[in-house]
Order: sequence, then structure tokens, then C-alpha cells
Amino acid sequence: GAGVSQSPSNKVTEKGKDVELRCDPISGHTALYWYRQSLGQGLEFLIYFQGNSAPDKSGLPSDRFSAERTGGSVSTLTIQRTQQEDSAVYLCASSLQTLSRNEQYFGPGTRLTVT
Amino acid sequence: ELKVEQNPLFLSMQEGKNYTIYCNYSTTSDRLYWYRQDPGKSLESLFVLLSNGAVKQEGRLMASLDTKARLSTLHITAAVHDLSATYFCAVGDYGGSQGNLIFGKGTKLSVKP
Repeated sequence: GAGVSQSPSNKVTEKGKDVELRCDPISGHTALYWYRQSLGQGLEFLIYFQGNSAPDKSGLPSDRFSAERTGGSVSTLTIQRTQQEDSAVYLCASSLQTLSRNEQYFGPGTRLTVT
Repeated sequence: ELKVEQNPLFLSMQEGKNYTIYCNYSTTSDRLYWYRQDPGKSLESLFVLLSNGAVKQEGRLMASLDTKARLSTLHITAAVHDLSATYFCAVGDYGGSQGNLIFGKGTKLSVKP
């Protein structure tokens, strides 16, 4: 079946511009996560959505970062006024959020380059 | 705050040899995951370990979990070139939202002929 998809696969933007990254989770998965992978920091958790609950935004690095999840499915991560340190691969994952396994399936990522 | 440490971070092996990657974590969790990442690719789930003493095996890879020691190991048996990749362990963060994972920095494995 279809896995997690993300778009665009690559994004180059100028410093100060806003960008939107999209994630389509696996159909039926109630939980959705955003992570960031950069050379210096490894894989960092950003934000987590579970069903209709308020999202856990505890990993967002600044108020320039925000995310939405519409209709319990597609999610958009928005970075405003991008900075060079925002350059990274942004990974989305989804899971069924059972109490036991909560195995997360990752998308291919969006490579963001801020020039 | 949950911290996850992997070692080694870099591992160069010859084909046919055995080796173990270690993953230590700092606070209680009963969910531990191993992922594989090939260059330029996303993360592929290898193992999900949910209880103390859990052992899972797939081909030349075997993962185990000791929740009392807060330690997981990924053992590689008779390595082959196809196993070259970066391996991450990740632990479920009960102190946070109970949803996200905290990742180790990864072990970059290179298997040479």
C-alpha cells in the first residue's frame, strides 16, 4: 500500500522567505509526527498530532515554526522568515498509535536549503 | 529529559565479521526501535522492542532489549556489504507527549570486502 509521502522533495529558498512543507500520512494512521534531520543535530522531534487532540508542539525550535493537520490527514509544516540554520531534511512519520507498538513509518523527507 | 546514546558512531567492518552496536537511554521507557537509513533515503523500520528481554532477529541482524540496564544492542553477524548504512535507535519519550521518539545520533556502518 501507499506509504507516507512528502512534497516537495527538495526546496531551495532565500533567507527571510516563508516555506510550506506537506505530508500525506498512511491512510488510517491517527498519529502524525514531524522531525528534522541535520548534520549537527541528528534527528530532532518537532511536533506531534494525535487524532483530534491538541498537538504537542514541544519540539518546535522557535515561533517561526508552525504546523497544521487538516481533517485528521494531511499536514503542513510552515517555516516563516527562514534562516540558514533551518537548512535540514524535514521528515514526516505516521503511526496507528496503538498503546503497544506505535511503530512510526517515515516519509522520504523534504530537503530544505536556505541560501 | 530523555537522552539516547549510541556507540560507536562510526564502524568500519570487514565482510564476514561480527560486531555489536550499543544504545543506552537515560530514563524509563518500554518502547525501543531500530531504524536503518541509506544515504539520501528515509528511515526504514527494522525492529520494535517492547519488553524486557525482547529479542528480534532478521537475517544477519539481531536486536535485544534490557529495560533494567536501559540498554539495547544490535548485533551484526557475518557482515555483508549490503548492510552498509546508518543505524539509529530510538526510544519512546514518556516524559513528553508519549508520542514522539528520541533518537540516538546514529551509527554509520561501512562493510568492506
